[in-house]
Amino acid sequence: DTGVSQNPRHKITKRGQNVTFRCDPISEHNRLYWYRQTLGQGPEFLTYFQNEAQLEKSRLLSDRFSAERPKGSFSTLEIQRTEQGDSAMYLCASSPTRDTTNEKLFFGSGTQLSVL
Amino acid sequence: LAKTTQPISMDSYEGQEVNITCSHNNIATNDYITWYQQFPSQGPRFIIQGYKTKVTNEVASLFIPADRKSSTLSLPRVSLSDTAVYYCLVGDYGTGGFKTIFGAGTRLFVKA
Repeated sequence: DTGVSQNPRHKITKRGQNVTFRCDPISEHNRLYWYRQTLGQGPEFLTYFQNEAQLEKSRLLSDRFSAERPKGSFSTLEIQRTEQGDSAMYLCASSPTRDTTNEKLFFGSGTQLSVL
Repeated sequence: LAKTTQPISMDSYEGQEVNITCSHNNIATNDYITWYQQFPSQGPRFIIQGYKTKVTNEVASLFIPADRKSSTLSLPRVSLSDTAVYYCLVGDYGTGGFKTIFGAGTRLFVKA
């Protein structure tokens, strides 16, 4: 399977704990995005990378959230001191587009986080 | 960023054609219109994208009038498996990246 892979699929944690999610994009896709989705809502943009550079972060991404994409390959999203409000589906997407105007996103199946 | 407005939900029967209209009155000159489909517990999946007039692929058609202030996703002969949430996105995907605003989407229910 050469699609976007996210691990784990599900994560249950206690409030105050740190969690880390991993995303493996489609090979050679230079753009990588993280989104958060709560029940009944559309995905909300969190941040995106062009290769290894993190180029934009949403205001939704508080200082408890950090994302990395070392060497422009896989990416990790870490949430420190989790809160119940962090419970959501965290989606990763990648795109092969390089400076063009008709980008297409390929999404993974997401990591469902439940903070107890 | 252009905001989009879609119906919250729609019902249809198997075999019918379904048209979902999206309003985007503030669309900018460089913006493209993209539609995604999402099933429960899965990430969105790209359906179709267009800039103007009509675009057709193996899954759907996208109709965009000359003023580009709206667009209509057309799904021919829907089946039960087309029950999903459909999102209309409008954005400029240039060097600044894709600053996506998905909105709540349209929940399509296909009945037997």
